[in-house]
Amino acid sequence: QVRLVQSGGGVVHPGRSLRLSCAASGFNFKRTAMHWVRQAPGKGLEWVAVISYDGRTDYYGDSVRGRLTVSRDNSRDTTFLQMKNLRHDDTAVYYCVRDVGYQLDFWGQGTQVTVSS
Amino acid sequence: IQLTQSPPYLSASPGDRVTITCRASQDVNRYLAWYQQKPGQVPKLLIYGASKLQSGVPSRFSGSGSGTDFTLTISGLQSEDFATYYCEQVNEYPHSFGGGTKVDIK
Repeated sequence: QVRLVQSGGGVVHPGRSLRLSCAASGFNFKRTAMHWVRQAPGKGLEWVAVISYDGRTDYYGDSVRGRLTVSRDNSRDTTFLQMKNLRHDDTAVYYCVRDVGYQLDFWGQGTQVTVSS
Repeated sequence: IQLTQSPPYLSASPGDRVTITCRASQDVNRYLAWYQQKPGQVPKLLIYGASKLQSGVPSRFSGSGSGTDFTLTISGLQSEDFATYYCEQVNEYPHSFGGGTKVDIK
């Protein structure tokens, strides 16, 4: 069955870095674009980033562009979200999400990132 | 692209017909999706392509619209439908979500 297992969250100080991972199984990861979506405490969903199936193309939300970088390793069926220069307002649950063609149809379990001094 | 959902909150009774609207600041064709999220749970895709029902989603959920105006309708609200609903445009990057509509029990 489809699985997206996330790891790498935690508590970090402002200005520090963190890398999130999302390991996929149960589908053809190498042919699938992957997104990241986040949700701040008590708030709505915010789209963060996407990476194409081959890793050649990526796009970012306005609030994270230049600080967050999405990547993937198709040999390990894993996508990553590198987060640098973290701010308090980056505190959120981060989800990786599968894209099967204009459909974000399967979401990882989410990982908590807390930026706190 | 900004997505404006209305209403932000909605109180309804089991069996009610509920309609949530999503308005886009520019044309998104039919590239709009709807999600349901219950407290402490991961969002669940309900509708994609404005009106296509995701596999496994009950037929009481339906979507309509194109261009800038969209609706999600729940025909015959059931207890398990009390949740927050979000629209998302997938027409262009960056994608964007609406602010959400919380449906609770009257």
